[in-house]
Amino acid sequence: GESVGLHLPTLSVQEGDNSIINCAYSNSASDYFIWYKQESGKGPQFIIDIRSNMDKRQGQRVTVLLNKTVKHLSLQIAATQPGDSAVYFCAERVSGNTPLVFGKGTRLSVIA
Amino acid sequence: GAVVSQHPSWVICKSGTSVKIECRSLDFQATTMFWYRQFPKQSLMLMATSNEGSKATYEQGVEKDKFLINHASLTLSTLTVTSAHPEDSSFYICSARDPGGRRETQYFGPGTRLLVL
Repeated sequence: GESVGLHLPTLSVQEGDNSIINCAYSNSASDYFIWYKQESGKGPQFIIDIRSNMDKRQGQRVTVLLNKTVKHLSLQIAATQPGDSAVYFCAERVSGNTPLVFGKGTRLSVIA
Repeated sequence: GAVVSQHPSWVICKSGTSVKIECRSLDFQATTMFWYRQFPKQSLMLMATSNEGSKATYEQGVEKDKFLINHASLTLSTLTVTSAHPEDSSFYICSARDPGGRRETQYFGPGTRLLVL
């Protein structure tokens, strides 16, 4: 299930199930989006990106969906594994060379 | 992907001392690097944009005299936390884009955990 509180939202999934992590971004002018995975005590690790002229992009076991109408981004992880347990952040770039702005993050907990 | 390193990975210091954190792009040249700060259970907050050969651009609310940034070469940016206090304790992460590769993607260093006693 998913819970929201004072801490990061947490999504708990059974090993082998598919995970869907959602993100609402802030700026309708943003033209580029990235999903990062961050394990405890480490820097963010690139997972997948998508430009605003696309609505779907697939990688290995991951898919990113972009809905510009409602400013929503999602990350789908197929056959979730224990090693997928981490905090996932979406990030958006408003334009050009501006730096990425990060969303609040979601903690994914995989139950073996 | 491009590799970004940071040193040190963690540091403990006394209140009032200054701490320097290095960020290096290992296999590419970065004219621009970014410094982020992350408090426990929170997201990354951009502190400043570091530009090679020129002054850094600081985000609103970030004191430029307290967080000194130097981008002296195309592979090295440093962040110095001056007169550190316990409230500066945080996880500091640098990031850079690879202009020769996927230009839009920001690659992150492993982070530096600072604890000020």
